[in-house]
Amino acid sequence: EVQLLESGGGLVQPGGSLRLSCAASGFTFSSYTMSWVRQAPGKGLEWVSVISGGGDVTNYADSVKGRFTISRDNSKNTLYLQMNSLRADDTAVYYCARGGYGSGWWPWGQGTLVTVSS
Amino acid sequence: EIVLTQSPGTLSLSPGERATLSCRASQSVSSSYLAWYQQKPGQAPRLLIYGASSRATGIPDRFSGSGSGTDFTLTISRVEPEDFAVYSCHQYGSSPYTFGQGTKLEIK
Repeated sequence: EVQLLESGGGLVQPGGSLRLSCAASGFTFSSYTMSWVRQAPGKGLEWVSVISGGGDVTNYADSVKGRFTISRDNSKNTLYLQMNSLRADDTAVYYCARGGYGSGWWPWGQGTLVTVSS
Repeated sequence: EIVLTQSPGTLSLSPGERATLSCRASQSVSSSYLAWYQQKPGQAPRLLIYGASSRATGIPDRFSGSGSGTDFTLTISRVEPEDFAVYSCHQYGSSPYTFGQGTKLEIK
């Protein structure tokens, strides 16, 4: 079964850091572009970042550029999102999804909640 | 950035009725790389349609997508009770990838 499972969310103070993980199973992880998408409480979906299958090409939304870093370990079938200098408006459920340019994004993980608050 | 505007914001229908949801892009969507998702409270988005009109695996044929360029439509031929949810469109042909604000399909 093709599956994604996020972890690493939690409560963090403004200015703090957090690293999210997304464990993939059921498919050849290294063959697929992967993305992070977030959803603030009661709001719509917002794309955050994307990384190519080999990990050599990345891109970010302007709202997180310079603060977040996407990476992957294909030997561990795991996607990461390192989040630094967190702000209150980064509070959201963060989803990982298989997909990027030109492909339907499926599946999605169940999401992990990040709350930035003092 | 391609802005996706969905209408209506809320659609109130009874089971068995036809639902028509619209997604308009601020500029042409590359190669019709437009998807539709269904999302229920507390759940992750579920891919329904990709490439503007291709149904994802396991999606019932009452769901159909159409359109090209800047105007796209999701149609549910006969709404079932399990279809009441929020529907979002998504363009994945031009970075930054963007989503519409969503249409809530509610029971009338």
